[in-house]
Amino acid sequence: EVQLVESGGGLIQPGGSLRLSCTASGFTVSSNYMSWVRQAPGKGLEWVSVIYSDSSTFYADFVRGRFTISRDNSKNTLFLQLNSLRAEDTAVYYCVRGPYYYDSSGRHAFDIWGQGTMVTVSA
Amino acid sequence: QSALTQPASVSGSPGQSITISCTGTSSDVGGYNYVSWYQQHPDKAPKLMIYDVSNRPSGVSNRFSGSKSGNTASLTISGLQAEDEADYYCSSYAGSSTSHYVFGTGTKVTVL
Repeated sequence: EVQLVESGGGLIQPGGSLRLSCTASGFTVSSNYMSWVRQAPGKGLEWVSVIYSDSSTFYADFVRGRFTISRDNSKNTLFLQLNSLRAEDTAVYYCVRGPYYYDSSGRHAFDIWGQGTMVTVSA
Repeated sequence: QSALTQPASVSGSPGQSITISCTGTSSDVGGYNYVSWYQQHPDKAPKLMIYDVSNRPSGVSNRFSGSKSGNTASLTISGLQAEDEADYYCSSYAGSSTSHYVFGTGTKVTVL
C-alpha cells in the first residue's frame, strides 16, 4: 500500500526546535519530489518546502533559514527540522509526494498525503 | 507570494452544478498549466482531485472537471452529491524566483 506516515509533532516553547519525520511505503522517497505542507487551525493549506529527486531544496519565504528539509534514503524517510519556532508556526504539518510525480506520465500535483502531525508552539 | 484567491463559500442543491474559481496572476496560474485541486473533509488530509488544470487521477469521479482561462482556473462539480460537501483548494506552480508553489485561500462547498 502506498502511504506516508508522519511523526514528531508536539508542544514546543517559542524559540524551540523539533524534527518531523515521514516514512514512506509503497514507493521510493529519493526518486520523487517530496514536500511539506502545513495548515494552521481553521486556516488554509500553505506550502512549506520541497526536496527534489536531485536533492535540490526550496522553501517558502516565511521559513527560509529556520526550517531544513532532508531525507534518509536508507530509511525511505523524509524529515523537516524546525528551528526558532514561533507561535504562528502552530499547524498540522503534512508530508506529501509532489509537486511532481510520475504515474504513466509526468503529473504536476501533490498526490499522496500523510495523515499530518500537529505542531503547537506555545509557552 | 500571495495565496491564490478563491470564494469563501459556494453552495448548491443535490444534482446541481457549481463552479469554484481560483484567481492568481501571470506569474502562477496564468503562466503555467500546473494547476491542481484538492478536496478536504473535516479532520482529514486533502485528496487530489484534478492535476495539470483539467486531468483527473484514477478513481476520481468524472463529475469533477477543471479548466483555466488566463489567470483564473476553475473547478466544476456536476451532479452535486452530499459527500461533495467539503473544503476545496487550488494550487499552482509559481516559478523558481518566488516561493515556487502556492495554494488558494480555500472554498467551503455546502450541499443544501
